[in-house]
Amino acid sequence: NAGVTQTPKFRILKIGQSMTLQCAQDMNHNYMYWYRQDPGMGLKLIYYSVGAGITDKGEVPNGYNVSRSTTEDFPLRLELAAPSQTSVYFCASSTAGVGKFQPQHFGDGTRLSIL
Amino acid sequence: AQSVTQPDIHITVSEGASLELRCNYSYGATPYLFWYVQSPGQGLQLLLKYFSGDTLVQGIKGFEAEFKRSQSSFNLRKPSVHWSDAAEYFCAVGGITSGGSYIPTFGRGTSLIVHP
Repeated sequence: NAGVTQTPKFRILKIGQSMTLQCAQDMNHNYMYWYRQDPGMGLKLIYYSVGAGITDKGEVPNGYNVSRSTTEDFPLRLELAAPSQTSVYFCASSTAGVGKFQPQHFGDGTRLSIL
Repeated sequence: AQSVTQPDIHITVSEGASLELRCNYSYGATPYLFWYVQSPGQGLQLLLKYFSGDTLVQGIKGFEAEFKRSQSSFNLRKPSVHWSDAAEYFCAVGGITSGGSYIPTFGRGTSLIVHP
């Protein structure tokens, strides 16, 4: 059971370039999340999805886009990379709904540098 | 809105000593509470969770946490720390947004340093 898989693990981008961070889960979870982690700042929620076709903004969505066409996949798109987007990005998934809120499963992260 | 405070940025303990990491939360209803651990270069791994029932919950790796509603706290404890426990620890509270979505809020984390 692979859990949550993120690709790539590392990436260096130039300012203004675009890229997509991939995230896939094989646990049939309805919720998926994207976070960024900066030193000493904990996890900041970028976007989340409650199911296929449904996404919503989190705390820091500017400069990012997401889509969720299937239950398994939740890619994060950076359109015009900026130095402020240098960070470690984590994807997570969980099962949640009325009367249940299961813990999140996290991927190993994508370390992104914008130069 | 829900929030989580981890007042200690860094904690240093000697191997074999006991450990307590503090977590205070703010949430209007009965919260879902979690502790996660993050080793360097890794994602977050669940240590334990509290949903309801017994306020003292046991987790993996010998960790436990106690939910105290009167103090809005969910402190993490371990009676004897091992060098391999050195990591970043995150407390999280799970709540429901006004739109009906289930979104956890994380504290900023506490970095545990273990001296031999």
